[in-house]
Amino acid sequence: DAGVTQSPTHLIKTRGQQVTLRCSPISGHKSVSWYQQVLGQGPQFIFQYYEKEERGRGNFPDRFSARQFPNYSSELNVNALLLGDSALYLCASSLALTDTQYFGPGTRLTVL
Amino acid sequence: AQSVTQLDSQVPVFEEAPVELRCNYSSSVSVYLFWYVQYPNQGLQLLLKYLSGSTLVKGINGFEAEFNKSQTSFHLRKPSVHISDTAEYFCAVSDQASGGSNYKLTFGKGTLLTVNP
Repeated sequence: DAGVTQSPTHLIKTRGQQVTLRCSPISGHKSVSWYQQVLGQGPQFIFQYYEKEERGRGNFPDRFSARQFPNYSSELNVNALLLGDSALYLCASSLALTDTQYFGPGTRLTVL
Repeated sequence: AQSVTQLDSQVPVFEEAPVELRCNYSSSVSVYLFWYVQYPNQGLQLLLKYLSGSTLVKGINGFEAEFNKSQTSFHLRKPSVHISDTAEYFCAVSDQASGGSNYKLTFGKGTLLTVNP
């Protein structure tokens, strides 16, 4: 079975631009979570979705938004990009809200 | 609020030596505990998890970890490491019961394990 997939793999943007990152969960998984991993740090929680509803939000500004689609895939949007948004963005899926999270390979975002 | 402390940022060892990567956590409620591994330029791979039951859990690639509630620790061990074990290791916790809100993972800052020949 395919694991969690994310696209694109790499992305380069300039300050002030907007970006959309995509995630497809493992088949049958209904929950998707997003994490930001800055170089040299552990991942930080951004959002969690379950059955298309937001179930949690981390300490990130309103420039960050996300949604989950009927097929359980998800998008993470970041507006008005800052240099500090440069990071590896990880998507994780789980069967249900409380189940083990399995991670995708991530999208490396570079903001110039 | 939860927090995770990984006591060593870097651990260099020689091949075939034993290794222990230390993890302590802080939480006001019961937790689930996890160890993930991240190879260079890759995502996170689950090594093992503690949900309940036996405090000694075995994972993939010969790793094991022991949950110690009184010490609030979840140290990762391997009796004999290989060059291929060189990677970043992350300890993480989530609440067992957060009122039906979310079950986010809180990660430590990671420990870079370097296995030398």
